[in-house]
Amino acid sequence: KNQVEQSPQSLIILEGKNCTLQCNYTVSPFSNLRWYKQDTGRGPVSLTIMTFSENTKSNGRYTATLDADTKQSSLHITASQLSDSASYICVVSGQNTGNQFYFGTGTSLTVIP
Amino acid sequence: GAGVSQSPSNKVTEKGKDVELRCDPISGHTALYWYRQSLGQGLEFLIYFQGNSAPDKSGLPSDRFSAERTGGSVSTLTIQRTQQEDSAVYLCASSSPPGYEQFFGPGTRLTVL
Repeated sequence: KNQVEQSPQSLIILEGKNCTLQCNYTVSPFSNLRWYKQDTGRGPVSLTIMTFSENTKSNGRYTATLDADTKQSSLHITASQLSDSASYICVVSGQNTGNQFYFGTGTSLTVIP
Repeated sequence: GAGVSQSPSNKVTEKGKDVELRCDPISGHTALYWYRQSLGQGLEFLIYFQGNSAPDKSGLPSDRFSAERTGGSVSTLTIQRTQQEDSAVYLCASSSPPGYEQFFGPGTRLTVL
């Protein structure tokens, strides 16, 4: 069964600290993996997209890693800011056409001063 | 347009009434998706359009839900005889080519009293 699991479900960190969010998937065949940020009351916004051959991709203070062998991805946030408070969603695409998107339930991150 | 737009942003209706939600995808995007997100939950797939046709309607929860897309652009999601459990945020996304990065709209928050 194609599934995407994220951990932790929620996380609270102090401003300025780093954190790492995890995503494990069982989707096969695999096309690509995306991390989205969803602010409260808004639609998800893409942070990174990674294909099978990519191990690391950065977008500012966000760095995503992918291990296609173990089917694990992580999103590392450096020097967190209050504006990083949001839900982070891992989405795996099973093939590069059509509707093969599998969504994790997200990690809710709260950054406190 | 600059992004995916949805209207209305908020809709409050009485149980038993019909509602119509609208999505304007990014110009030129052939794939369009509808999702539902209940409070604190992950995204639930509803329906996928490729052009004007809907090859995947498997996520529609009941026959009270229907959607159409005309001219390969605007889509409407209609919920008939709304129930309180229909209360959620309805998100629309578009992508091109299909299966690649999805761009989400801000969502329509539906409240059924």
